[in-house]
Amino acid sequence: NAGVTQTPKFQVLKTGQSMTLQCAQDMNHNSMYWYRQDPGMGLRLIYYSASEGTTDKGEVPNGYNVSRLNKREFSLRLESAAPSQTSVYFCASSEKVQPQHFGDGTRLSIL
Amino acid sequence: AQSVTQLDSHVSVSEGTPVLLRCNYSSSYSPSLFWYVQHPNKGLQLLLKYTSAATLVKGINGFEAEFKKSETSFHLTKPSAHMSDAAEYFCVVSEENYGQNFVFGPGTRLSVLP
Repeated sequence: NAGVTQTPKFQVLKTGQSMTLQCAQDMNHNSMYWYRQDPGMGLRLIYYSASEGTTDKGEVPNGYNVSRLNKREFSLRLESAAPSQTSVYFCASSEKVQPQHFGDGTRLSIL
Repeated sequence: AQSVTQLDSHVSVSEGTPVLLRCNYSSSYSPSLFWYVQHPNKGLQLLLKYTSAATLVKGINGFEAEFKKSETSFHLTKPSAHMSDAAEYFCVVSEENYGQNFVFGPGTRLSVLP
């Protein structure tokens, strides 16, 4: 019963490097989301995808790109990592418009 | 635009005593409200949700919350705390008429003392 799976769980990058965070869900949900979590700020929405083939910006999209590869997978890419992007990243999926299921997160440090 | 205030950044209770985590919201439309729990190094788990049905909402693990429109509050309670309740709790507001825009509160860390 996997739910939402995120890879990798931990990553350390140098400033300027690029990487892609992967997310997959097995619940046949239409909507998927990427959040970042920083101390004392709760979760902030980076991008979301209401359905396969569509993506929209959230509250903090600068420095990120996303791809909704198919109904199951939604990836987040950092093209040129910056220290300000050090955070914990969560992927979520839901049916209709309510986020209900979260992955365990990717802890990303940028030096 | 909607917003969420969680009045306490940290709450500490003794095992077996009641828990109260406070949440106030601001919303221009009829909101949906949620409480999530996050245990260390884990993702968020939905505790309960309010979506304009009964104002008293029961969730998992003995938690419940009451929607009070006049006070714009959605406080989370539990009659008797258990050690396993120690975690971070997030209140979330969503406006149905505002597309897929969910606003998270900053979180309240609950400590449970033996």
